[in-house]
Amino acid sequence: EAQVTQNPRYLITVTGKKLTVTCSQNMNHEYMSWYRQDPGLGLRQIYYSMNVEVTDKGDVPEGYKVSRKEKRNFPLILESPSPNQTSLYFCASRAQGNLYEQYFGPGTRLTVT
Amino acid sequence: KQEVTQIPAALSVPEGENLVLNCSFTDSAIYNLQWFRQDPGKGLTSLLLIQSSQREQTSGRLNASLDKSSGRSTLYIAASQPGDSATYLCAAISSGSARQLTFGSGTQLTVLP
Repeated sequence: EAQVTQNPRYLITVTGKKLTVTCSQNMNHEYMSWYRQDPGLGLRQIYYSMNVEVTDKGDVPEGYKVSRKEKRNFPLILESPSPNQTSLYFCASRAQGNLYEQYFGPGTRLTVT
Repeated sequence: KQEVTQIPAALSVPEGENLVLNCSFTDSAIYNLQWFRQDPGKGLTSLLLIQSSQREQTSGRLNASLDKSSGRSTLYIAASQPGDSATYLCAAISSGSARQLTFGSGTQLTVLP
């Protein structure tokens, strides 16, 4: 089954404690991205990657890091989380040039206290 | 910078009604316009994608229109059903090589039995 998986689905942590949210897709997609969703603001792109070892900033990259060492994985790293990073995070993937068949993960709800 | 607005933020209708969801965007130089559905606890599901050269797309009871010159798109749902209850998001897709998506904040639809 074609899917994007994210782990963990729920996470409560404290300010400053480094964390990683994993994202993996099984469709051999070139393009992967991370979004955060906040009430009244819709989804905003954090980072995206057009292929292995190629990453670029989205609209709200501050406080986040990503890496793309393998095609299937695109982890999101928060080195020093702060309460304003409390949000719902989505990972997405698609084949390059195929906009319709975008696959989103189920989301990770992060709370930073 | 592209901004996408969706009105209304929430909508409640009785089963069987036809309804229209609105989406407006500030930069008409888009590549495509896409509508998604989001269910609680799940990721986004793509519903319809309208290419910039098209004026509308249809899938079953859904019809999406696009007027680039006025910066507007509508999603028409015919004969609504309780199973249509979800949040509907529109996204403007940029013309840049990364084809970035800028999302609206969504319309939360409730269809009452």
